[in-house]
Amino acid sequence: QKEVEQNSGPLSVPEGAIASLNCTYSDRGSQSFFWYRQYSGKSPELIMSIYSNGDKEDGRFTAQLNKASQYVSLLIRDSQPSDSATYLCAVNLGTGGTSYGKLTFGQGTILTVHP
Amino acid sequence: GAVVSQHPSWVICKSGTSVKIECRSLDFQATTMFWYRQFPKQSLMLMATSNEGSKATYEQGVEKDKFLINHASLTLSTLTVTSAHPEDSSFYICSAPPVDGYEQYFGPGTRLTVT
Repeated sequence: QKEVEQNSGPLSVPEGAIASLNCTYSDRGSQSFFWYRQYSGKSPELIMSIYSNGDKEDGRFTAQLNKASQYVSLLIRDSQPSDSATYLCAVNLGTGGTSYGKLTFGQGTILTVHP
Repeated sequence: GAVVSQHPSWVICKSGTSVKIECRSLDFQATTMFWYRQFPKQSLMLMATSNEGSKATYEQGVEKDKFLINHASLTLSTLTVTSAHPEDSSFYICSAPPVDGYEQYFGPGTRLTVT
């Protein structure tokens, strides 16, 4: 089992729709969770961070965390063509110490928003 | 958000030569920086953790004598690819969390092509 796994893509949604991206992780002790967006040929850009169970909203983006189910998701409302990119789920596996700050990435989900 | 820069943004070198890549945190201090490598259509793979004032920690399978890392100050880490070969051609990206934070910010990346 992969340590961080994202739902298989690619994902295609029409403009204005809600895009739902999912991620599961293996280490129950993980504390920090991040969603990054990566455009082709560019480096990842941090979109959301979430540390507590529940929802966290920032503009059109909502991150959801369920530690009991070891599941984190990202919802993009009112999707725009400019949201078309690869979305990476990243988890700081473990509870710190030597693993502090060390992120493990999922394989990424390619999102295409078509007009 | 915090800003991380990398230099150069792209480099072409001949097989057998060495290449140095710089990673700088511009508006924050970072005791730890991370170096990733990304091949086309793949996710980020952590190569090593750079620690200010001490030796870097390398991930399994990464040759420490080939990928030399120096973290000379709280704002600068360098990665030197020694005796580069065509298979080292990749997108190299650094990241850093602020000393008082958990979120990692990525540099723009360096595209290395070895001919």
